[in-house]
Amino acid sequence: EAGVAQSPRYKIIEKRQSVAFWCNPISGHATLYWYQQILGQGPKLLIQFQNNGVVDDSQLPKDRFSAERLKGVDSTLKIQPAKLEDSAVYLCASRGGAGVSTLSYEQYFGPGTRLTVT
Amino acid sequence: AQSVTQLDSHVSVSEGTPVLLRCNYSSSYSPSLFWYVQHPNKGLQLLLKYTSAATLVKGINGFEAEFKKSETSFHLTKPSAHMSDAAEYFCVVSGARSYQLTFGKGTKLSVIP
Repeated sequence: EAGVAQSPRYKIIEKRQSVAFWCNPISGHATLYWYQQILGQGPKLLIQFQNNGVVDDSQLPKDRFSAERLKGVDSTLKIQPAKLEDSAVYLCASRGGAGVSTLSYEQYFGPGTRLTVT
Repeated sequence: AQSVTQLDSHVSVSEGTPVLLRCNYSSSYSPSLFWYVQHPNKGLQLLLKYTSAATLVKGINGFEAEFKKSETSFHLTKPSAHMSDAAEYFCVVSGARSYQLTFGKGTKLSVIP
């Protein structure tokens, strides 16, 4: 089966510019996650969707970050305006399973988008 | 709240020798624990998971981990390192709410020929 797809793979922008990342989860996976991975650290959850609804966005910096999953499939993550500290790899993951809290289904991660803000 | 601490940021072993990557966890309830591996320019891959069944968990590529509640540890081991094992390894704990994952800072494993 096809994995989680992300694009672009790399992006370089100047601070105060805007940027958008796209994620296509594994077909049929209802739960989608966006993570931020800063160099030398583990991934940190930004936002979780169940179908097209937001389950948790408590760690999303909402003054500059936004995300949507309009039809319950693809998702986009946007940063506007970008800051130097936003330089990181942005990972998308998806999970199957019958419910939000089902622990028996693993998260499948995409290759990530490496963002450099100069 | 839950957290994990990976005790070594970098581990270097010779090919064919044992691997030990250490992880301690903190959780106010019975946790689910995972090890993920990240190869350069590739996505994270699940190695193994503990979800309150057997305390010794076997994963892919010969890796295994033992859950020790008394020591709050979940160390990852492999009897014999292979060159292809060189990667970043993350110890992860699952939250009780919405299956959210909390990652450690990672341990970079280098394998010397």
